[in-house]
Amino acid sequence: GENVGLHLPTLSVQEGDNSIINCAYSNSASDYFIWYKQESGKGPQFIIDIRSNMDKRQGQRVTVLLNKTVKHLSLQIAATQPGDSAVYFCAEIPRHLTGGGNKLTFGTGTQLKVEL
Amino acid sequence: DTEVTQTPKHLVMGMTNKKSLKCEQHMGHRAMYWYKQKAKKPPELMFVYSYEKLSINESVPSRFSPECPNSSLLNLHLHALQPEDSALYLCASSQDYASGGETQYFGPGTRLLVL
Repeated sequence: GENVGLHLPTLSVQEGDNSIINCAYSNSASDYFIWYKQESGKGPQFIIDIRSNMDKRQGQRVTVLLNKTVKHLSLQIAATQPGDSAVYFCAEIPRHLTGGGNKLTFGTGTQLKVEL
Repeated sequence: DTEVTQTPKHLVMGMTNKKSLKCEQHMGHRAMYWYKQKAKKPPELMFVYSYEKLSINESVPSRFSPECPNSSLLNLHLHALQPEDSALYLCASSQDYASGGETQYFGPGTRLLVL
């Protein structure tokens, strides 16, 4: 069922391992997707983005994969470090606003815990 | 520079107080946003300003009043809030879609506690 409680899905990984965080998005018309990292007490920080005409995009230690067929997005973090511990949100843009701006739709978030 | 600044960092107010949250960006972005975030939840959109005009109000109660004095500043005026309004209030900005800059950049937030 839907998680409406206070518990975020959690992914625990050992330092140095690779992490994969998954996200299912809802709108097949969305054409732009973003991953954000949010550390405790801070605002969401942009990590990487991808447009719907791409399947894969790589950044520094991070890779985003997009599967439009099943409306699935994933974030891969290579050689996970303690500083990667945070909540990760995927976000899609299903709607561009007339005159500028956009309306992001966030996923529910995943807590990544890196164990030493 | 992708910095959005917000003041104050923390705010405690009573239910009869009037206070304001401030947000500033100098990236030349023409869209600015207010979000509310509760613990363990994603940010929820409250307002969108585009070219200094309010373009979206997500049915936010009138005790929250946004203002965009110029293209770099965004305020959120608070009056007669309720304890359930306690949350992290986030500001964000982005370029407009036509410019190809859709990414929203967030500030650090204001942690609000209503007593």
